[in-house]
Amino acid sequence: AQSVTQLGSHVSVSEGALVLLRCNYSSSVPPYLFWYVQYPNQGLQLLLKYTSAATLVKGINGFEAEFKKSETSFHLTKPSAHMSDAAEYFCAVSDRSLRANDMRFGAGTRLTVKP
Amino acid sequence: NAGVTQTPKFQVLKTGQSMTLQCAQDMNHEYMSWYRQDPGMGLRLIHYSVGAGITDQGEVPNGYNVSRSTTEDFPLRLLSAAPSQTSVYFCASSRLPRLGPSRDTQYFGPGTRLTVL
Repeated sequence: AQSVTQLGSHVSVSEGALVLLRCNYSSSVPPYLFWYVQYPNQGLQLLLKYTSAATLVKGINGFEAEFKKSETSFHLTKPSAHMSDAAEYFCAVSDRSLRANDMRFGAGTRLTVKP
Repeated sequence: NAGVTQTPKFQVLKTGQSMTLQCAQDMNHEYMSWYRQDPGMGLRLIHYSVGAGITDQGEVPNGYNVSRSTTEDFPLRLLSAAPSQTSVYFCASSRLPRLGPSRDTQYFGPGTRLTVL
């Protein structure tokens, strides 16, 4: 079964610095990969998803992620952090079957942005 | 569209009490699901449904029941609440997967924060 591992439960950056949130996946078949963001006291919102087109995926709010098959990674980056980026971020994976219930989430990374 | 709505936002129960968490969506999505979110564990699937009258178990179904009488509604019932069920519960919906190089987005509700004493 597929799974994801998010490296680092907490990441702290200064405003204007690079944001890098790490996600490695395990899957026996080519996966679909997702990044979701959760702002305080809210539900999850899709940031971006990889579904086999370009390996560099651009999402909302200036975030992007690169699918690297050789490294089984799908790290999330943003060149310059903004205070409003403070949130919890979840990486998720699903396979390419027609089963709807196969999405698996990582444990989450809480991003803090310091002024 | 209101998207995915959940009620209540907060609930405190005593051990052994029962309650129903409500979830509704207005996007005509076939697929609906319930997750629980616990610190350090991400989201874990409790139950899901691929259409009215069809439900199935996810990773952590024990202690929970669901039903799907309409496309719009997918309530989650706790039959006899236990402290281990203290968590944040999210409902989500999406279209069913279709053949092709894509996967539809899951839309999440705002969550219900449940405390069982």
